[in-house]
Amino acid sequence: DTAVSQTPKYLVTQMGNDKSIKCEQNLGHDTMYWYKQDSKKFLKIMFSYNNKELIINETVPNRFSPKSPDKAHLNLHINSLELGDSAVYFCASSQGPLPLRFRQGNYGYTFGSGTRLTVV
Amino acid sequence: DQQVKQNSPSLSVQEGRISILNCDYTNSMFDYFLWYKKYPAEGPTFLISISSIKDKNEDGRFTVFLNKSAKHLSLHIVPSQPGDSAVYFCAASAGGTSYGKLTFGQGTILTVHP
Repeated sequence: DTAVSQTPKYLVTQMGNDKSIKCEQNLGHDTMYWYKQDSKKFLKIMFSYNNKELIINETVPNRFSPKSPDKAHLNLHINSLELGDSAVYFCASSQGPLPLRFRQGNYGYTFGSGTRLTVV
Repeated sequence: DQQVKQNSPSLSVQEGRISILNCDYTNSMFDYFLWYKKYPAEGPTFLISISSIKDKNEDGRFTVFLNKSAKHLSLHIVPSQPGDSAVYFCAASAGGTSYGKLTFGQGTILTVHP
């Protein structure tokens, strides 16, 4: 029973196409995130939603549009795909967006297994 | 402008020995630090964390040390086991209005040899 599930796991598509990646979590978490792991292996945040409200929107091309129909789902739609969009995209969730130091005990995101996007 | 850096791309250790993974950061607003472990074709999984009010946190074989003056943290694994072979990511949060945003390093590949 996967906690954070992403589909598809692999996606190969041509430049210029539009594609979506779906993410669902069954942990009852309020906050969901999209991270991109680039060719240099850094994980960089793209977006975050808390209870369907956008709270983090990093400097990402507006070809990328997140959509959260409910707090258990956060989908990522990408228009006009480019070669440079090739990367691994990770969805994650957490109990809430509060500053982590206020949390009792240890804390961490729960990540999905990633979607490897290849644009050819 | 990478605010969290793991300068060792890889580390190889003999089973039973200590593994020490290092992480440096530049943002003095970071006040919470985490380590994640990642196996191939899986997402990162939370391992251990430390608040900036502490300098050490221990959980079984894993201990994280924080040196705020040096802006440096390290993860110690003792004893190392072959199952620990994975990519380890260091991450940091600035609290405040960061809304839980984590800034990650680029990871260190740990290989533990039997």
